[in-house]
Amino acid sequence: GAGVSQTPSNKVTEKGKYVELRCDPISGHTALYWYRQSLGQGPEFLIYFQGTGAADDSGLPNDRFFAVRPEGSVSTLKIQRTERGDSAVYLCASRSGGSSYEQYFGPGTRLTVT
Amino acid sequence: AQTVTQSQPEMSVQEAETVTLSCTYDTSENNYYLFWYKQPPSRQMILVIRQEAYKQQNATENRFSVNFQKAAKSFSLKISDSQLGDTAMYFCAFVSTSGSRLTFGEGTQLTVNP
Repeated sequence: GAGVSQTPSNKVTEKGKYVELRCDPISGHTALYWYRQSLGQGPEFLIYFQGTGAADDSGLPNDRFFAVRPEGSVSTLKIQRTERGDSAVYLCASRSGGSSYEQYFGPGTRLTVT
Repeated sequence: AQTVTQSQPEMSVQEAETVTLSCTYDTSENNYYLFWYKQPPSRQMILVIRQEAYKQQNATENRFSVNFQKAAKSFSLKISDSQLGDTAMYFCAFVSTSGSRLTFGEGTQLTVNP
């Protein structure tokens, strides 16, 4: 089946604007994760969904960041009042759940805030 | 909190030769998984190999194998018969069975030279 998909692949926005990043996980995967990867660094955790609910959102940097997963499948990461420091690659991953701890990643969205 | 350290920012190897990438981690957990992910310029994070902490036997996947030393909290990746397609950023990652988020190291850029 298809892997994790993310849209858009690239997003350029002006400082202060609102953006939405979409993630479509592997079919049947109950767990979904968002990570942020700054240039030259490893990914950093943002938020984790189990089903429709956010099981752990402790990685969100501030209240400008919000994510939803209303039907337990597709997730949207929303960033309000974007700042230049938000520029990064945003990665989404999904996991089948249960005793499997392997996460499978999408290709990421590169966000550039000008 | 867990930390993962990769002390080699860059490495290079000649095609067909063997190379070892280092990773150390720190945790108070007893049950966890360790992973190596590969990230080529396409940004897609690809799972290379995984190791369950409760297993003494080192994991092997074709040309990729690990040296897992639990007491020393060390988890190195050995790539045999290196190929040009192995050129990528390699990340070591940790997940506790009591949690869910992946904690990544800083990455090692591996270049395979013809």
